[in-house]
Amino acid sequence: EIVMTQSPATLSVSPGERATLSCRASQSVSSNLAWYQQKPGQAPRLLIYGASTRATGIPARFSGSGSGTEFTLTISSLQSEDFAVYYCQQYNNWRAFGQGTKVEIK
Amino acid sequence: EVQLVESGGGLVQPGGSLRLSCAASGFTVSSNYMSWVRQAPGKGLEWVSVIYSGGSTYYADSVKGRFTISRDNSKNTLYLQMNSLRAEDTAVYYCARDLYYGSGSPFDYWGQGTLVTVSS
Repeated sequence: EIVMTQSPATLSVSPGERATLSCRASQSVSSNLAWYQQKPGQAPRLLIYGASTRATGIPARFSGSGSGTEFTLTISSLQSEDFAVYYCQQYNNWRAFGQGTKVEIK
Repeated sequence: EVQLVESGGGLVQPGGSLRLSCAASGFTVSSNYMSWVRQAPGKGLEWVSVIYSGGSTYYADSVKGRFTISRDNSKNTLYLQMNSLRAEDTAVYYCARDLYYGSGSPFDYWGQGTLVTVSS
């Protein structure tokens, strides 16, 4: 079983600033890593897959990087609508999610 | 436009059963891999089950032997039959479409979720 660990649990950022979220896999998942955004009361939305490919309609301020066991989601300039919880998910070996990082307004 | 609409959630006693439905539009359920993902209140996401286009089914260890995923091609609808329910099954249940055909995949479309509460 692959365990996904996200850090930090909560990230306080001011609007317009950059946010960097981390996701670590307990063993290599190659580039089979996705990121999701979830707002209160809503379903998750796919942001990134293949570690770095933006899903349809996702703004360019969202970018993903990494491979193997270390991954990063970067939001280059936080907008008001970006404050949410972000989950990583590996799909190299079935499907497993991280516990989430909450991005809150500083 | 792709849409997924879940229904069937509610309050059930421990040991009871419930069947969730997920009506799809804008694509064909039987031509895709379809999953159920759940989220306990205030917690993270947990993959529950997948059905392949060929009909093979797979489950998380936490629900194996208790839950059954299926589909009705004529209704373009996905189902999750949940038996022997436990308090720890309390969650919002989402149906989701797999982006890829494979043993692992991200999910490109999600329903709005249906809440299942297991309590006496």
